[in-house]
Amino acid sequence: SYVLTQPPSVSVAPGQTARITCGGNNVGTKVVHWYQQKPGQAPVLVVYDDSDRPSGIPERFSGSNSGNTATLSIRRVEAGDEADYYCQVWDSSSEHVAFGGGTKLTVL
Amino acid sequence: EVQLVESGGGLDQPGGSLRLSCEVSGFTFRSYWMHWVRQAPGKGLVWVSRINTDGSYTNYADSVKGRFTISRDNAKNTLYLQMNSLRAEDTAVYYCAREADYSTSATDYWGQGTLVTVSS
Repeated sequence: SYVLTQPPSVSVAPGQTARITCGGNNVGTKVVHWYQQKPGQAPVLVVYDDSDRPSGIPERFSGSNSGNTATLSIRRVEAGDEADYYCQVWDSSSEHVAFGGGTKLTVL
Repeated sequence: EVQLVESGGGLDQPGGSLRLSCEVSGFTFRSYWMHWVRQAPGKGLVWVSRINTDGSYTNYADSVKGRFTISRDNAKNTLYLQMNSLRAEDTAVYYCAREADYSTSATDYWGQGTLVTVSS
């Protein structure tokens, strides 16, 4: 099955830009989605199709995907952005959904 | 308002069976693909299964294939997950999620989850 690798944790000061990576073999040829999950809550889709935002998600959230790495960027980080973030792809060869292991974003 | 409400979780012994339900409202259920995703305590998200709009296509993670069955009743606006031959490693919160109609495999609405505990 397809493997996505995320750093376990990322820390950033308020007002700075957080970048969370998602590595996978030629992940740039796949479509990547990103989810935010706060403690005790269900995940929320924050970026889909590499770089699009669902309605209601702030423009501070953006995504990119190329080569072997997809990246979720969060500009002007706020305390309320502190959460776990997961990347996800559809692996057409196995017809399986794959999630990354998740990254805990800490706002210092 | 879109709502997904899971039920059916609880404590069961290894080798036992449970059936989870996900009742939806606020959208045309029969028009959407649906997923089950689980999360073991303190761990990450793991995809379990996916079903198309009329139930004619289903797919499963290798860890549950042959033991779990996803199904749906479009007349009752309800998604199901029949879980057989339960193992301790199936212990998790189980979420149902709606696949977005604007993207393949992205899930735009999730339920709050139901906890399944497998233990003797």
